[in-house]
Amino acid sequence: QQPVQSPQAVILREGEDAVINCSSSKALYSVHWYRQKHGEAPVFLMILLKGGEQKGHDKISASFNEKKQQSSLYLTASQLSYSGTYFCGTEWQTGANNLFFGTGTRLTVIP
Amino acid sequence: DAMVIQNPRYQVTQFGKPVTLSCSQTLNHNVMYWYQQKSSQAPKLLFHYYDKDFNNEADTPDNFQSRRPNTSFCFLDIRSPGLGDAAMYLCATSRTRQGQNIQYFGAGTRLSVL
Repeated sequence: QQPVQSPQAVILREGEDAVINCSSSKALYSVHWYRQKHGEAPVFLMILLKGGEQKGHDKISASFNEKKQQSSLYLTASQLSYSGTYFCGTEWQTGANNLFFGTGTRLTVIP
Repeated sequence: DAMVIQNPRYQVTQFGKPVTLSCSQTLNHNVMYWYQQKSSQAPKLLFHYYDKDFNNEADTPDNFQSRRPNTSFCFLDIRSPGLGDAAMYLCATSRTRQGQNIQYFGAGTRLSVL
């Protein structure tokens, strides 16, 4: 039931782009993206609702393909501050109050 | 400015000695969650409160209990900690809105079991 993320880990140089994918075996109502730095709490990035949304702010954006039950997070022109572990959280039905977090992607940005 | 506050940040306990972790929030959110996160793993939901209604995940061990005396506070009780319970425990809150179940996390309590 846990969403699967790919890749598991990625190393980027500053300024490079990355894509993180999140796939679910169940139909999704929404997908959340969080970033967690080592030893800290997860921080909310964005939420996408069913209907094929795309969202973005600054150089981080995401898409949600409801039919494929997938979401992708796009990081462009990466900065050192982007380093951390990215988790998708999936919500299977509205009002369920539960998020199922994906397997995580560790992103390291080096100078 | 902290909106979800967890105390203590670090907790050391002995094998089998009960321990309580606390969480408070200033967001007035009606839903509060407890997650367990082990090293290099995703947060795993233990249980959550929807207002006063307690919702336990099916695979949460009986060793874990929770109390929510009011909207602002929630406690996680581990009755007899084992070595396998050493982990980061995260508290989160949300205000339920249709499809907008954004969760706000506290900084976590890292539990060590000796």
